[in-house]
Amino acid sequence: SQQGEEDPQALSIQEGENATMNCSYKTSINNLQWYRQNSGRGLVHLILIRSNEREKHSGRLRVTLDTSKKSSSLLITASRAADTASYFCATDGTSGTYKSIFGTGTRLKVLA
Amino acid sequence: NAGVTQTPKFQVLKTGQSMTLQCAQDMNHNSMYWYRQDPGMGLRLIYYSASEGTTDKGEVPNGYNVSRLNKREFSLRLESAAPSQTSVYFCASSEGVSQPQHFGDGTRLSIL
Repeated sequence: SQQGEEDPQALSIQEGENATMNCSYKTSINNLQWYRQNSGRGLVHLILIRSNEREKHSGRLRVTLDTSKKSSSLLITASRAADTASYFCATDGTSGTYKSIFGTGTRLKVLA
Repeated sequence: NAGVTQTPKFQVLKTGQSMTLQCAQDMNHNSMYWYRQDPGMGLRLIYYSASEGTTDKGEVPNGYNVSRLNKREFSLRLESAAPSQTSVYFCASSEGVSQPQHFGDGTRLSIL
């Protein structure tokens, strides 16, 4: 079963606008990661946020984590056509053997 | 840098045939993973190897076997392919478990 669920499933915005996508998960985590996948390619790691962190920035990316609500958000500011991709969250649980659980992804389309 | 290299990129099999998907990384990573990606399902972990000499089952291991040949190479074997195993298979590696993963570009496998 999926641990992370992204929302929305699909998002279409104009170039220059901000894009926000959310991830909800079910169990306690050590960290949460966001990845990008361009069509026909493998996933590329964007950012990792630990369970004791609330916010992290990397360039035009801002990630927040609310462990009380078991949710995270990824904000892409001033989006570009090149940001068109699918975005996935992945969680690393606290219990037992390591298993990285990926969500089903948000498909982002940035229109030029 | 090549990163994570998967071979082959495409393969068509008949039901009951066997094959091995190859994966090699040149980043001296300890941990390696095999995922499958199906439409609307995100990525699901098949098997992983936390370190050389160890392998563990992921979320969907049935019908697959793996071999961690050495620190660089991690292969996935389908002993008797079934149409339900039609998918895109991704190999990934990381310095350690819970660390950011680096992905190959996938093997697109169709089983008729």
